[in-house]
Amino acid sequence: QTVVTQEPSLTVSPGGTVTLTCASSTGAVTSGYYPNWFQRKPGQAPRTLIYTTSNRHSWTPARFSGSLLGGKAALTLSGVQPEDEAEYYCLLYYGGAQVFGGGTKLTVL
Amino acid sequence: QVQLVQSGAEVKKPGASVEVSCKASGYTFTNYYIHWVRQAPGQGLEWMGIINCNGGTTAYAQKFRGRVTMTRDTSTSTVYMELSSLNSEDTAVYYCARSSGWNVFDDWGQGTLVTVSS
Repeated sequence: QTVVTQEPSLTVSPGGTVTLTCASSTGAVTSGYYPNWFQRKPGQAPRTLIYTTSNRHSWTPARFSGSLLGGKAALTLSGVQPEDEAEYYCLLYYGGAQVFGGGTKLTVL
Repeated sequence: QVQLVQSGAEVKKPGASVEVSCKASGYTFTNYYIHWVRQAPGQGLEWMGIINCNGGTTAYAQKFRGRVTMTRDTSTSTVYMELSSLNSEDTAVYYCARSSGWNVFDDWGQGTLVTVSS
């Protein structure tokens, strides 16, 4: 069974930079896994931030960026704002199926 | 603007089936795919499957094969997700989400709470 692993929790100070990662049990994550990143706040539906590794939607603030880093998909937040406190999920494509990571709870403190 | 409006909350008994709908508007329905994702209490997001709103072809996560059916009605731009043989572990909020192709996710529905309880 394929497992996608994210950091369970991270803490960052306002204005700081933090990188969340997304690893696959099958090996290095490449662009062929078409990573998507989602933000989930309590009581709200998820919101898509990044698609196919590094592409932002029109509603995605420029401080969010996606990349591949050291064999993992990565989401970097630069100049973190208090409203960025949320859970973040990655999703990887496995040729006909998609698997979410377990999510990272980001605390802005 | 793009809208995905889901049906209302459901309460079902163990062993029953539930059908959740996702009505799309604001775009050409058949140009996109719809995914179903759920989140159980205290758990993470879980991908259930995808339907091509053009041809109606589907792909389901292995965990749900045999229990889930996704269909679409192009005349009403609505996608349906039926989950059968419900048990307490199926208690969750179920979301529909749109993508262009398999992998370019964008908009999400508001979610539908399904509670399975005797």
